Amino acid sequence: GAVVSQHPSWVICKSGTSVKIECRSLDFQATTMFWYRQFPKQSLMLMATSNEGSKATYEQGVEKDKFLINHASLTLSTLTVTSAHPEDSSFYICSASRPGLAGFNEQFFGPGTRLTVL
Amino acid sequence: DQQVKQNSPSLSVQEGRISILNCDYTNSMFDYFLWYKKYPAEGPTFLISISSIKDKNEDGRFTVFLNKSAKHLSLHIVPSQPGDSAVYFCAASGNDYKLSFGAGTTVTVRA
Repeated sequence: GAVVSQHPSWVICKSGTSVKIECRSLDFQATTMFWYRQFPKQSLMLMATSNEGSKATYEQGVEKDKFLINHASLTLSTLTVTSAHPEDSSFYICSASRPGLAGFNEQFFGPGTRLTVL
Repeated sequence: DQQVKQNSPSLSVQEGRISILNCDYTNSMFDYFLWYKKYPAEGPTFLISISSIKDKNEDGRFTVFLNKSAKHLSLHIVPSQPGDSAVYFCAASGNDYKLSFGAGTTVTVRA
């Protein structure tokens, strides 16, 4: 159990267009979903935390108007990169969490989405 | 600022030997630590975790050691297998459940 999917797995778009990435928890209801981005050979950097039905909480330095997050249900969160530019090219990974053992909310990661902006 | 640090970007080990991966953290509020394994173009998969109330947790070939006073943890893999070749991330969390990741260590297991 605890499978998280992302769609699309990769996307190439022109500069100035918007791209939507979906994250779904397939076999459990996620209390919270997280969005990360990873640059080559670097760590995963948390972008934002979203809870179903409420506004996402963005980490410092992440533009909320550029990276729109919608968390419509306990199994679906979407990240929209608006007016994408080449510097937004990255690997975007989502995770979905649920209460686990010892009170810790376990995070289960999606396979990631490779975004390339031309 | 990087609150979780993995100072060794890569590690090469012979099959059958022990792999030791190290991780340091700076935030004393972290109370839960995890190791993830990641293949290219895939999301991280959970390996093993440890709570700050323990100093050791073992699961099969994987053992995590925590030294709270030194703010240091390590992952031991023994014996190492070719399928263990991947990038390993150390992560830490406080009571907000957010994960802070290290930069990762690329492990290569030589046959």
